[in-house]
Amino acid sequence: LAKTTQPISMDSYEGQEVNITCSHNNIATNDYITWYQQFPSQGPRFIIQGYKTKVTNEVASLFIPADRKSSTLSLPRVSLSDTAVYYCLVGEIYNQGGKLIFGQGTELSVKP
Amino acid sequence: KAGVTQTPRYLIKTRGQQVTLSCSPISGHRSVSWYQQTPGQGLQFLFEYFSETQRNKGNFPGRFSGRQFSNSRSEMNVSTLELGDSALYLCASRVRGTGAPDEQFFGPGTRLTVL
Repeated sequence: LAKTTQPISMDSYEGQEVNITCSHNNIATNDYITWYQQFPSQGPRFIIQGYKTKVTNEVASLFIPADRKSSTLSLPRVSLSDTAVYYCLVGEIYNQGGKLIFGQGTELSVKP
Repeated sequence: KAGVTQTPRYLIKTRGQQVTLSCSPISGHRSVSWYQQTPGQGLQFLFEYFSETQRNKGNFPGRFSGRQFSNSRSEMNVSTLELGDSALYLCASRVRGTGAPDEQFFGPGTRLTVL
């Protein structure tokens, strides 16, 4: 499974767009990129998943360049409730199944 | 549809005891995974069960075990508890164990404190 590197922490203000970049230089052909969000004392929550180019859903966008060695999670117009830890995961989820390998995550703090 | 439920939510045990945690997946989900979360080690995969069979296992000692029942409910057991086993234990379920990637749905966790 590819190792991921992401910033330990980030600060933002309400209403701003937040971009969290994750590096995964050793990503394999069959690997997918997935982001999870976790609030204190709760289980992680799936945000978005992609393989290449751009994926968008109702809460976020995921940008993946052609070489797939990095990915960027974009949160539009964040609010205080977006304060959480965001995890970037890379792995062959297709076959690895439930074995998610979490890194240290990025602690996002949104200020008023 | 009800989410993943875990019982109990909080548990206090003493060293040397054993503990059993329970997880009920979302209805229709056949795969259940367990994770341990501690401030020092972060989120670590314990094991995954699918159709009552363990499919994946993390790097934990044999004191950690689990099982899955025919209704997909799962239990994990930790024997001979150590202080370092104090953690938030999370259970996650997903629809299927094979095929296209699908998201995992996590429960609220069981907070285990070992004294």
